[in-house]
Amino acid sequence: DTGVSQDPRHKITKRGQNVTFRCDPISEHNRLYWYRQTLGQGPEFLTYFQNEAQLEKSRLLSDRFSAERPKGSFSTLEIQRTEQGDSAMYLCASSPKGLPNEQFFGPGTRLTVL
Amino acid sequence: QQPVQSPQAVILREGEDAVINCSSSKALYSVHWYRQKHGEAPVFLMILLKGGEQKGHEKISASFNEKKQQSSLYLTASQLSYSGTYFCGTDGTGGFKTIFGAGTRLFVKA
Repeated sequence: DTGVSQDPRHKITKRGQNVTFRCDPISEHNRLYWYRQTLGQGPEFLTYFQNEAQLEKSRLLSDRFSAERPKGSFSTLEIQRTEQGDSAMYLCASSPKGLPNEQFFGPGTRLTVL
Repeated sequence: QQPVQSPQAVILREGEDAVINCSSSKALYSVHWYRQKHGEAPVFLMILLKGGEQKGHEKISASFNEKKQQSSLYLTASQLSYSGTYFCGTDGTGGFKTIFGAGTRLFVKA
């Protein structure tokens, strides 16, 4: 399977702990996106990369969130000092070069903060 | 600015048609449409770009009115498999940041 993969699929953590999620995009895609989705809502934009450059980050994100894509391939999203309000599905998507195009979504990482 | 979708929910019988609308308070460069089934990731349906480029999907089509800053998704002769939540995603800058609406829940019954 050559789709977008995310790891882990589920994460349960206690409030105050740090968590890190990984996303492996489709190999030839140069753009990578992170979204957060809560029940009954659409995906909420967090950030996106073009190759290794983080081009935009949502102002909704606090300093507790950080994302990297060190070699322009896989990406990690870290949440520090988790809060119960961080509980959500974290989705990663990738898209190919060129004009705005289809985003291929991964299966997501479901985070539960107790 | 999050686009506004309407209706919030719709129930159809198999074979009926539906229209889902997406409007923005800002000028739009592109509009994406996705469908998400319960417990699954969103799946791309189509994208419409300023200037008229459009990609289609089966019996589902869409329009993009740049002046009115609106897009509509048309589902014709609905099938049970069309059930799910439909999201529009918009970009007003010509870049690649996509802001999604809250979704329209579509249920098709036999």
